[in-house]
Amino acid sequence: QLQLQESGPGLVKPSETLSLTCTVSGGSISSSSYYWGWIRQPPGKGLEWIGSIYYSGSTYYNPSLKSRVTISVDTSKNQFSLKLSSVTAADTAVYYCARLDGAPHSSAGYWGQGTLVTVSS
Amino acid sequence: EIVLTQSPATLSLSPGERATLSCGASQSVSSSYLAWYQQKPGLAPRLLIYDASSRATGIPDRFSGSGSGTDFTLTISRLEPEDFAVYYCQQYGSSLTFGGGTKVEIK
Repeated sequence: QLQLQESGPGLVKPSETLSLTCTVSGGSISSSSYYWGWIRQPPGKGLEWIGSIYYSGSTYYNPSLKSRVTISVDTSKNQFSLKLSSVTAADTAVYYCARLDGAPHSSAGYWGQGTLVTVSS
Repeated sequence: EIVLTQSPATLSLSPGERATLSCGASQSVSSSYLAWYQQKPGLAPRLLIYDASSRATGIPDRFSGSGSGTDFTLTISRLEPEDFAVYYCQQYGSSLTFGGGTKVEIK
């Protein structure tokens, strides 16, 4: 059974860089059939796609966040990572990693449990 | 960017009733690339429907999706106690965006 698990600091200071890693188990991140993505949800609010990556390293970003986002993949560790720079309180959210079904913009059949990241001094 | 508007914001129904949730798009969603998710408090969203009308693996047949172009519907034929949750639509025909959600609550 495929599982995704987010990890990283739960507290980040304003203006610093948020860094999270998603570890995939029960399947290979190098599968040609899937893309891998990050989605976030501010407390009590809706969902926002951050970006997606293919195992080859091709990336696709939400235009509204593109200037601050970097997503990378490490196939040897079966992981992919998110970096979001110059964070503010508006970036406080639960961050989910997910498997996207067949395209960088697609439905997401598998999700991690999510990790809350709070931006505060 | 395609903006998705879900209505109503809250739906108050009793178990056994039929639920009809709407998702309207600001532009036509190509190839009916629209999905529906269910989210319960403290949990990640769960994929219910993809490509507007295809049920995801393991999803009961009381959940059905329909629509095309700019108007999409999720129908729950008979509400079970575990169906009370928040539902989101998502389009992936042009980039990827989500609707604001509909909360289905117990009346």
